[in-house]
Amino acid sequence: EAGVTQSPTHLIKTRGQQVTLRCSPISGHTSVYWYQQALGLGLQFLLWYDEGEERNRGNFPPRFSGRQFPNYSSELNVNALELEDSALYLCASSYNRGIQETQYFGPGTRLLVL
Amino acid sequence: TQLLEQSPQFLSIQEGENLTVYCNSSSVFSSLQWYRQEPGEGPVLLVTVVTGGEVKKLKRLTFQFGDARKDSSLHITAAQPGDTGLYLCAGARSGNTPLVFGKGTRLSVIA
Repeated sequence: EAGVTQSPTHLIKTRGQQVTLRCSPISGHTSVYWYQQALGLGLQFLLWYDEGEERNRGNFPPRFSGRQFPNYSSELNVNALELEDSALYLCASSYNRGIQETQYFGPGTRLLVL
Repeated sequence: TQLLEQSPQFLSIQEGENLTVYCNSSSVFSSLQWYRQEPGEGPVLLVTVVTGGEVKKLKRLTFQFGDARKDSSLHITAAQPGDTGLYLCAGARSGNTPLVFGKGTRLSVIA
């Protein structure tokens, strides 16, 4: 069974630009989560999508947005990039069956903002 | 406020030694997960514990969930260089809220 996939693997952008990151969940998983992992800060929750709807949002500005498609894949968009957006962006997927939410992570997209 | 506190933050030990990593909180979690992450890669799930007092073993790794479901520990016996990585604990407060992650324990096992 294929795991969570993310693209691209690496990305270099300059301040002010916009970026779109993509994630394909494990087959059968309906929930997709996005996290930012900046150096020294641990995993910070960004967004959670389930069945095409945004279920929860972390403490990030509105320039971080995303969506989930009917096939449950997801995009994360970041507008007006800032230097501190440089981080590893991780996507995870899970079933949404109530308790025992085990999340499975993709390899991440490493974003560098210059 | 960090809901899940992991300790120690860094650990460097010799091959063959034993170690324990702790994950503590004042909050109750419905389940707790442990992940290992290697540089430049996503976290890989090691185990999920859901019952207070539960102990799970995965080869040389032993995971325990506290009776009150507020804390957990990971014990590694006879550590090997392949155990090197960032160990993360993550707690679920209910089925429909995001996982809460600790900042991780960075383990280095020297041959």
